Amino acid sequence: EAGVTQSPTHLIKTRGQQATLRCSPISGHTSVYWYQQALGLGLQFLLWYDEGEERNRGNFPPRFSGRQFPNYSSELNVNALELEDSALYLCASSHRTMNTEAFFGQGTRLTVV
Amino acid sequence: GQQLNQSPQSMFIQEGEDVSMNCTSSSIFNTWLWYKQDPGEGPVLLIALYKAGELTSNGRLTAQFGTTRKDSFLNISASIPSDVGIYFCAGGSSNTGKLIFGQGTTLQVKP
Repeated sequence: EAGVTQSPTHLIKTRGQQATLRCSPISGHTSVYWYQQALGLGLQFLLWYDEGEERNRGNFPPRFSGRQFPNYSSELNVNALELEDSALYLCASSHRTMNTEAFFGQGTRLTVV
Repeated sequence: GQQLNQSPQSMFIQEGEDVSMNCTSSSIFNTWLWYKQDPGEGPVLLIALYKAGELTSNGRLTAQFGTTRKDSFLNISASIPSDVGIYFCAGGSSNTGKLIFGQGTTLQVKP
């Protein structure tokens, strides 16, 4: 069974541009989570989607947004990129009834130059 | 906001030694999770704990959910070189879907 898959693995963008990151959850999982892991700052919660709806949001500005599609895959969009947005962006998924047992993908390394 | 204090920050041990790390919080969680992250990879779930006082093992790993629901520890017995990595604790609440992560413990094992 495939795990959580994320694409692309690496992304280089210029300051001010937009970035789109994609995530496919484990089959049967309906919840998708996004975390940011900046160097030296640990994992910070960004967004939680379940059944196509945004359920919770971390302490990030509105230029971080996303959506979940009917097949439960998800996109994270970051607008007006800033240098400090450079980080590893991790997607995780869980079953609806076990929504704190999250399984992570390998991440997308976003570099803003 | 919620914070987890994870200690120690790093450990450098000899192969075969036992390892212990722990997390404490000012908040109550209804789930405690332990993850391991290798460089350039996503965190891998090692153990999940759901009840206060619960003690769970996964091979050489043992973790406990503290009775106050504000702490957890992870023990690794008879460490081997492939145990090298960063270990994270995480506390979760099902109503928020959010995991709060500790700062991580970097483990190095000398053969």
